[in-house]
Amino acid sequence: GQQLNQSPQSMFIQEGEDVSMNCTSSSIFNTWLWYKQDPGEGPVLLIALYKAGELTSNGRLTAQFGITRKDSFLNISASIPSDVGIYFCAGSQGGSEKLVFGKGTKLTVNP
Amino acid sequence: DGGITQSPKYLFRKEGQNVTLSCEQNLNHDAMYWYRQDPGQGLRLIYYSQIVNDFQKGDIAEGYSVSREKKESFPLTVTSAQKNPTAFYLCASSISYSAYGYTFGSGTRLTVV
Repeated sequence: GQQLNQSPQSMFIQEGEDVSMNCTSSSIFNTWLWYKQDPGEGPVLLIALYKAGELTSNGRLTAQFGITRKDSFLNISASIPSDVGIYFCAGSQGGSEKLVFGKGTKLTVNP
Repeated sequence: DGGITQSPKYLFRKEGQNVTLSCEQNLNHDAMYWYRQDPGQGLRLIYYSQIVNDFQKGDIAEGYSVSREKKESFPLTVTSAQKNPTAFYLCASSISYSAYGYTFGSGTRLTVV
């Protein structure tokens, strides 16, 4: 099946630092989504991107839909301890096709 | 408020016993999904259903079974044939058009001893 390559697999940062993670694919996607999973909970949708080149912000989070439609990036500015969790990217090719998920980036923030 | 509910949050079973995990949604979503999550493995799709009385195998369906008798409910049974059932199980739902994303439940952690 299709795969999304998400990197890095894990990150250990100090509070206040900025964070970047990305997701790439060999296939074109029409929608990119970013989720956050708190420890022991289900993933929650953070940002949805629907147009190539689109840059969307949600508070300290900014995500971009790559021009080639084969990648997406998520940036977190001025990290805080509650940013800890696993961040997943997901892609949709449209219609009733299932989402394809990356394997996640585990973020640890040291106070 | 609309949402998706998984119960119980924690479940313990003895090896060789079947166990059923509950998933209920009141979002009026057509599609429902079951994922398994192990450390470092990401989300692996077990089964999904796009309409009532129909469901499809995902990537790791062996040892699992599901039913979809009602739009709101999609229970997952972990059978004794599942060789390594201890994991975190996530249920999700969506409208038929996947681009709006999935809504996830809060998960059930199953431990088999």
